[in-house]
Amino acid sequence: DQQVKQNSPSLSVQEGRISILNCDYTNSMFDYFLWYKKYPAEGPTFLISISSIKDKNEDGRFTVFLNKSAKHLSLHIVPSQPGDSAVYFCAASDTDKLIFGTGTRLQVFP
Amino acid sequence: DTEVTQTPKHLVMGMTNKKSLKCEQHMGHRAMYWYKQKAKKPPELMFVYSYEKLSINESVPSRFSPECPNSSLLNLHLHALQPEDSALYLCASSQLAGPYNEQFFGPGTRLTVL
Repeated sequence: DQQVKQNSPSLSVQEGRISILNCDYTNSMFDYFLWYKKYPAEGPTFLISISSIKDKNEDGRFTVFLNKSAKHLSLHIVPSQPGDSAVYFCAASDTDKLIFGTGTRLQVFP
Repeated sequence: DTEVTQTPKHLVMGMTNKKSLKCEQHMGHRAMYWYKQKAKKPPELMFVYSYEKLSINESVPSRFSPECPNSSLLNLHLHALQPEDSALYLCASSQLAGPYNEQFFGPGTRLTVL
């Protein structure tokens, strides 16, 4: 049973516009969430995280929103750039483990 | 030094071979991890080491044997693997084990078992 889900396997966005990547989770005990970006043939790169005591965290072009009642988080990238094209994984921290979602492939076109 | 390194980048081995994957970090992190990633799937945790002691084994078959010789090094010894073990093997580290600790990943070793 997938505890962290990313229901959109792919997303295509024009350069300069906003990219919104979504993630849902089922376990209400999760209290720390992370987003990673992965290029082909590389390991995941940490982007941004959020604790359940917050509903928003911002770092430059990246903002993560957390809606605990809906068990939903989203990553906003604005403005999107071609270099943002990659697979994005959300992850929930469960004691010593990270539980990853299935990933969303983002393509930013000119 | 803010990176996790892994060697080799690629490995092809037969089902009777013995090989090892290596991972190294010099960030002073005290938790290290092995993950396995199959194509178009998320990374799946295999092992967690905390302060050089194995703290989590996610019911991984014994043909995978982890080792943490010191706080900077993590090995994964492979023996009698099956073709379905072919995958990207990722090493990660974090300052400490537990929540609220971002994990930093290496580039992975692409393993092919013939």
